[in-house]
Amino acid sequence: KQEVTQIPAALSVPEGENLVLNCSFTDSAIYNLQWFRQDPGKGLTSLLLIQSSQREQTSGRLNASLDKSSGRSTLYIAASQPGDSATYLCAVRPIYGNNRLAFGKGNQVVVIP
Amino acid sequence: EAQVTQNPRYLITVTGKKLTVTCSQNMNHEYMSWYRQDPGLGLRQIYYSMNVEVTDKGDVPEGYKVSRKEKRNFPLILESPSPNQTSLYFCASRETGSHLGNEQFFGPGTRLTVL
Repeated sequence: KQEVTQIPAALSVPEGENLVLNCSFTDSAIYNLQWFRQDPGKGLTSLLLIQSSQREQTSGRLNASLDKSSGRSTLYIAASQPGDSATYLCAVRPIYGNNRLAFGKGNQVVVIP
Repeated sequence: EAQVTQNPRYLITVTGKKLTVTCSQNMNHEYMSWYRQDPGLGLRQIYYSMNVEVTDKGDVPEGYKVSRKEKRNFPLILESPSPNQTSLYFCASRETGSHLGNEQFFGPGTRLTVL
């Protein structure tokens, strides 16, 4: 069974610092990995989707890398802003089973003005 | 605008009173699913559907039913809600039929409280 772990569970950074969020997964047989943002009590907004054949994806200040062989992904947010405060969820779509998304429990981020 | 919609967004009900949470997507996606999100447990899949009239259990299906009579709609039914079904519920959809993974889109969530 695919297990997804996100470390750290929570972190606070001063505004302007770069954010580094880590995600690890136990089975490298995946179709893709997706990073989401969730504000408190709200829905999930898709940030980046990395296919299994890709090494990274970029969107604005966000960059996500994927090292499938070691079961790791990292989300970088450059020059953090208070508006980046949210929970960031990592999810992988396994090839085997019913290939439903397996989620980590999230990185809760607070950016301090 | 491509989106997944859910209704209602907030619902407070009592034990045993049947309810339905609707989900609709306008992207012509074959795959739809329901998740619940609970503190400390993360997101867990309840049911999913690969296409019209095809549904299957996820990780936590007990106490729930679904139907998929039309491609765009995937309602979640709680025949006899209980307090342990108090949660935040999400509907999601994506395309199928590709060797590569397709992006999954989520609805805004339904906050359900069962008293």
